[in-house]
Amino acid sequence: AAGVIQSPRHLIKEKRETATLKCYPIPRHDTVYWYQQGPGQDPQFLISFYEKMQSDKGSIPDRFSAQQFSDYHSELNMSSLELGDSALYFCASHGLNTEAFFGQGTRLTVV
Amino acid sequence: GQQLNQSPQSMFIQEGEDVSMNCTSSSIFNTWLWYKQDPGEGPVLLIALYKAGELTSNGRLTAQFGITRKDSFLNISASIPSDVGIYFCAGQLGWGETSGSRLTFGEGTQLTVNP
Repeated sequence: AAGVIQSPRHLIKEKRETATLKCYPIPRHDTVYWYQQGPGQDPQFLISFYEKMQSDKGSIPDRFSAQQFSDYHSELNMSSLELGDSALYFCASHGLNTEAFFGQGTRLTVV
Repeated sequence: GQQLNQSPQSMFIQEGEDVSMNCTSSSIFNTWLWYKQDPGEGPVLLIALYKAGELTSNGRLTAQFGITRKDSFLNISASIPSDVGIYFCAGQLGWGETSGSRLTFGEGTQLTVNP
């Protein structure tokens, strides 16, 4: 069965650079979530989209933005990167009355 | 925001032993989910619970949705080495366009199984 696809799996950026993370949800899933997970931490909710519209916003810095496109894939854009942005970034998707399934994540390292 | 308290934080057990972990919340959820996460990987869904009082099994895993909708537990029977990992509970209020559809995670339980 198709799963949530995230790219890239690993990304190394320098401080003040920009990064773009991509997420391709499971086909026919209409909701996408982005989570940030620091070392030894539980995943923290950043932002979600339902049918291409932002549906909820969590602890997402103003330097970050995200959108969901017409093909339902989503991108998380991160600017002016800081060392503290180093983390695992997960995308999850779910459809109507289905559970949320997570991608394998993108490990972002800011140096 | 809502907080989930998960315990224990870590467990060290021998292969073959049973394991129990739980989550409590100060407010209600309409769905409880249990995930397992291996290092550097995404959380993998183990069990989903939708009704207060519901008891659901998936192989050696059993989970219950507390009657108050503020707690849930996960039991693993006859543990094996591949059970090693971090187990997270997650609560969810709703679906779709509602703000309640976000997952709120517990702090995780690190399980170590000694052969």
